[in-house]
Amino acid sequence: RKEVEQDPGPFNVPEGATVAFNCTYSNSASQSFFWYRQDCRKEPKLLMSVYSSGNEDGRFTAQLNRASQYISLLIRDSKLSDSATYLCVVTAGYSSASKIIFGSGTRLSIRP
Amino acid sequence: DGGITQSPKYLFRKEGQNVTLSCEQNLNHDAMYWYRQDPGQGLRLIYYSQIVNDFQKGDIAEGYSVSREKKESFPLTVTSAQKNPTAFYLCASSQDRGGSQPQHFGDGTRLSIL
Repeated sequence: RKEVEQDPGPFNVPEGATVAFNCTYSNSASQSFFWYRQDCRKEPKLLMSVYSSGNEDGRFTAQLNRASQYISLLIRDSKLSDSATYLCVVTAGYSSASKIIFGSGTRLSIRP
Repeated sequence: DGGITQSPKYLFRKEGQNVTLSCEQNLNHDAMYWYRQDPGQGLRLIYYSQIVNDFQKGDIAEGYSVSREKKESFPLTVTSAQKNPTAFYLCASSQDRGGSQPQHFGDGTRLSIL
């Protein structure tokens, strides 16, 4: 089992739809969680950190479920510009960067 | 503006040649990282450094070398021992050494074999 797993997609949804995807992690000691977006042939950019109580930033909502060991990203009222690959990042422990694990990403395509 | 600068944007390597990718940050971050991304794949960690004059191997360090002589700079050398170097190379930095803070990325270097 991979340490961090994401559904690769692609998710193809119409503009204005709500879409959600999950990221599961295997290490129960994981401490920090992030969502990044990566446009085609570009670098990943931080979308949002994921806090234990869940957090929202505009149309984006991130949730953490420690019991089931997954994080989720919900996008409401999707825009064409939301088309990208979404990467989850999970960090276990505090002392070693080798515990920072990137998921392989979920591709999202918004159609007009 | 603070940020991470990678250069060059595109690089071509001949057989048997070593090439060096530059990564400079002015964010005053302690930790710096090098990742490799192949088409349709996730990021794989090559090397990381949590402090000046110290660095550690990541998951795929074979065929690569790094140095960290200054806080701002973390160059990556792709040696001739790396037989499949064609990939997108990403440098990142973070304020926190342990990964509790998000990483900030440069805009990458695309390396190809001639």
